[in-house]
Amino acid sequence: AQTVTQSQPEMSVQEAETVTLSCTYDTSENNYYLFWYKQPPSRQMILVIRQEAYKQQNATENRFSVNFQKAAKSFSLKISDSQLGDTAMYFCAFTSTSGTYKYIFGTGTRLKVLA
Amino acid sequence: NAGVTQTPKFRVLKTGQSMTLLCAQDMNHEYMYWYRQDPGMGLRLIHYSVGEGTTAKGEVPDGYNVSRLKKQNFLLGLESAAPSQTSVYFCASSYYQAGSYEQYFGPGTRLTVT
Repeated sequence: AQTVTQSQPEMSVQEAETVTLSCTYDTSENNYYLFWYKQPPSRQMILVIRQEAYKQQNATENRFSVNFQKAAKSFSLKISDSQLGDTAMYFCAFTSTSGTYKYIFGTGTRLKVLA
Repeated sequence: NAGVTQTPKFRVLKTGQSMTLLCAQDMNHEYMYWYRQDPGMGLRLIHYSVGEGTTAKGEVPDGYNVSRLKKQNFLLGLESAAPSQTSVYFCASSYYQAGSYEQYFGPGTRLTVT
């Protein structure tokens, strides 16, 4: 069975600094997608970034980038130039492309950006 | 495009009462999901559907039923609510195909069972 682990329940970072959120996963699949979702206090789940397992290049979206280590089954999110609006819960998620149709979520990391 | 919408946004039930949560999506997605979110537990899958007329159990299906009579709608029912079902419920949908595996979420429904 696939699992997703986020070992940092809470983190804080000073505005304009860089922070890295950790995520590890376990799967025997070879083809899959990984995601980071942001959940601000409004409760809306927002896709931050996605990574396709067969792509070796790490995904980037503006200030957000990932460090995808397939052999180590690690998928960390780096937020550069942190802004107050980045304060949110962040969830790591996994889905296989083999037809299980399910998504596995981690327990989340609560990030607070300090002014 | 409204995306994924959920009705209602808030609800308070008494133990034993029943209710139905409605999820609607206008993106023509085949796949739809119901999750519950509890503190410290992330999102847990209740039921999901891979197409109109189909449903399947997820990780925590007990106490819930679902129906997908129309492709755009996915209903979650609680026949006899229990305090353990106090939670925030999210609906999501997806194309689940090459190049488009991400899920799109509704705004959530906060349910309190007293």
